[in-house]
Order: sequence, then C-alpha cells, then structure tokens
Amino acid sequence: QVQLQESGPGLVKPSETLSLTCTVSGGSVSSGSYYWSWMRQPPGKGLEWIGYVYYSGSSYYDPSLKSRVTISVDTSKNQFSLKLSSVTAADTAVYYCARFLTATAGFDPWGQGTLVTVSS
Amino acid sequence: QSALTQPASVSGSPGQSITISCTGTSSDVGNYNLVSWYQHHPGKAPKLMVYEGSKRPSGVSNRFSGSKSGNTASLTISGLQAEDEADYYCCSYAGSSAYVFGTGTKVTVL
Repeated sequence: QVQLQESGPGLVKPSETLSLTCTVSGGSVSSGSYYWSWMRQPPGKGLEWIGYVYYSGSSYYDPSLKSRVTISVDTSKNQFSLKLSSVTAADTAVYYCARFLTATAGFDPWGQGTLVTVSS
Repeated sequence: QSALTQPASVSGSPGQSITISCTGTSSDVGNYNLVSWYQHHPGKAPKLMVYEGSKRPSGVSNRFSGSKSGNTASLTISGLQAEDEADYYCCSYAGSSAYVFGTGTKVTVL
C-alpha cells in the first residue's frame, strides 16, 4: 500500500523560499503510471492544486503560481519536492502531497499534510 | 483558472440523501469528463471518492455517486451516516495539464 509523507520546515520567513519533500513508501516514483502532486489548503479556505511532476522530470503548475514554483523528483531517494519562492503570509497553508493516476485523473492517496506558516 | 463553485454547506438527517453541486465552465467541468470528488475529515488526509465523474475507487461505498450535466457536476450521498460528516471537494481538469478544485462543501449530519 502506497503511503506519502510530507516533511520540511514549519516556519518560513517572508520573501524566502519554502521547501518541502514528500517521501513515498510502498511504491516507486519511477512508475510511468503516475504524476506526483502538491496541493495546499490555506487556513479556513479550500484546497488548491499547485502542480505535479512526472518521473522524467516533466512538470506542470497552476498558472497563478508558475513563476514561483518548482516541483522536482529524486528517483534515487524515492522522493519528490516542492519549492515556492518569494513567499508571503498568503502562502501560509497546510501543504499536501499526493499521487496522481493518469488513467483515472484522480489524486490518491494523499499524505497527512504539513502546516507551513510564513512569518517573521 | 477560477475555483469551481460549491455550496458552502449541505445538511441532512441520517438515512436521507443529499446532493452537492460543483459548477464550473465550458473550459473545465463542461469540456472534460474528468471530475473527481474528495472527502476530507479535518486533520486527516483527503480521500478520493469518485473519479471520471461517476466511477468509484475500490473500497468506496456505493452510497456515493457522481454525475454531470453541462458545466455542473454533482455528488450524491444516499443513506446519510454520521461518518459522512466532512468537507467535500470537487476537482476538474482545466486543460493544459492543469487542475482546479472546488470551493468545498461542509456536510453536516443532523
């Protein structure tokens, strides 16, 4: 059974870069059937799609975040990562990683999520 | 792209049926049969309940069903149970390899 776990700093200063890693267990990020995704949920708000990456390194992002986001994959560590630059308080959110199955266009499973607060 | 529109809250009594709507545009919901629905109990990982508009993953109760008409997708929960109380989100393909989520609906079991 595939499991995903987010990790990274819980506090980031404004204007700095948010960096998170998602570790995949019970499955391989090198599988050609999946993309590896990041979503977020600001406090009191709904889910937002950030983007996803294929094992080859091809990545796609939400247009509103595209200029600040990089999602990458490390097949040797079975991990994928999110970097969001020039953060502001509006980037405070619970960040989730998830597997995206291309055959069904569904995100499943998800990690438990990790809260990242942007504050000085 | 803009978030898909869902009602903020829907409620029902145990055993009743409720329907959650998800309204998009002809650029997302209306143009693709790629709507998925997620159940989210706060503090837990969201769970895929329906994909491709109306298909259920293995293990998901057949009390959950999805449909679509035009630019609006719907999730119906029949035989409402206390454990169904959660937030529900729709998600649609929006073209150019991008996805968009709905605004979310809080389901309350009275």
